Amino acid sequence: DTEVTQTPKHLVMGMTNKKSLKCEQHMGHRAMYWYKQKAKKPPELMFVYSYEKLSINESVPSRFSPECPNSSLLNLHLHALQPEDSALYLCASSPITKPGLAGDEQYFGPGTRLTVT
Amino acid sequence: GENVEQHPSTLSVQEGDSAVIKCTYSDSASNYFPWYKQELGKRPQLIIDIRSNVGEKKDQRIAVTLNKTAKHFSLHITETQPEDSAVYFCAASTGFQKLVFGTGTRLLVSP
Repeated sequence: DTEVTQTPKHLVMGMTNKKSLKCEQHMGHRAMYWYKQKAKKPPELMFVYSYEKLSINESVPSRFSPECPNSSLLNLHLHALQPEDSALYLCASSPITKPGLAGDEQYFGPGTRLTVT
Repeated sequence: GENVEQHPSTLSVQEGDSAVIKCTYSDSASNYFPWYKQELGKRPQLIIDIRSNVGEKKDQRIAVTLNKTAKHFSLHITETQPEDSAVYFCAASTGFQKLVFGTGTRLLVSP
């Protein structure tokens, strides 16, 4: 399996709802990422998990809560979102060839298009 | 932190022409430079990458060059085809699993 998968593809939620985004990879990658992408903008890093531990949090509001239950799965729990949080949420994974030393190729999932009403 | 600038923001070429997209980075410690292609409504797709110990890399019609002294790298697409139309993002990494993306170039290839 050489793909990163994400569910759901689309999600509409109200500002008081709680929902979760899911991401899965079976490439044996030990780094997983959440990105947020607004229209006509580059992906913006939110969180990085390395060896199932949170290694980077780019000062993301606490209404976004990541979770990495195991090396293949990554979740993003959403609660009390704002309309400006509407965006494409991308998951990515990468191998870790030289921990802390070298960048590694990141492979993206198809994304979840989130609309907050 | 790292900052990546990308030019041009839009590029229109005729089918069969070459296209060049340029990026500059600020952190001399950056050692990995990937390029992603993103078609409308699709995921970013890694198309080619280069590491700091290499000056040029080719894969069929695409090539990437890196000038560490000037801190810039470029994507070259030859014999462009309509299916090359997409947004292209450059990125740079100093390691620690963190990529910093450029602002993107919208490439339009007209038949």
